[in-house]
Amino acid sequence: AQTVTQSQPEMSVQEAETVTLSCTYDTSESDYYLFWYKQPPSRQMILVIRQEAYKQQNATENRFSVNFQKAAKSFSLKISDSQLGDAAMYFCAYRLLSTGNQFYFGTGTSLTVIP
Amino acid sequence: EAGVVQSPRYKIIEKKQPVAFWCNPISGHNTLYWYLQNLGQGPELLIRYENEEAVDDSQLPKDRFSAERLKGVDSTLKIQPAELGDSAVYLCASSSYRGSDTQYFGPGTRLTVL
Repeated sequence: AQTVTQSQPEMSVQEAETVTLSCTYDTSESDYYLFWYKQPPSRQMILVIRQEAYKQQNATENRFSVNFQKAAKSFSLKISDSQLGDAAMYFCAYRLLSTGNQFYFGTGTSLTVIP
Repeated sequence: EAGVVQSPRYKIIEKKQPVAFWCNPISGHNTLYWYLQNLGQGPELLIRYENEEAVDDSQLPKDRFSAERLKGVDSTLKIQPAELGDSAVYLCASSSYRGSDTQYFGPGTRLTVL
């Protein structure tokens, strides 16, 4: 079974500080893409960052970066210099190339940013 | 480029009433997804279309839910009759065939069944 586990239902961070959200996944396949999505309250889900499983280099997007450990099947998201606008639900997901277009989502981490 | 469009944004109905949601995906996206999202939970796939073909509807409660994607573009998701437990946000998303491509989500329809 394809599963995604986000073990932190809730996290909080002081404004301007750094926070790391964890994600582990379970697949026996080797070709896939990993994604982090952000869903602010009552707003639509948007992509934060993506990582190709065949790349060893960790993806970065401005203040967002990932720590991808393929052997451990771990894909954590680091948010640096946290801002009030970062407060949202964060979902980890992956897409297997073998199944084409099916995405597997975690249960989410609710991030609070404290002013 | 326009994003994924969904309507209505909010819907309140009495139980046992029918309800329908509409989705227009991003132009050129062959794959369309309908998800159900309960409060504080991740999206749960209801049905996935490749063009006009439903390729994964294993989680769709077929006794009361139905969906269609005529001409492989717009899609409609229907519930008849609605139950109290159907109260949730219904998300539509679309993607291309490129493996690196993400899903693009619509704003969702928040359904309340009274």
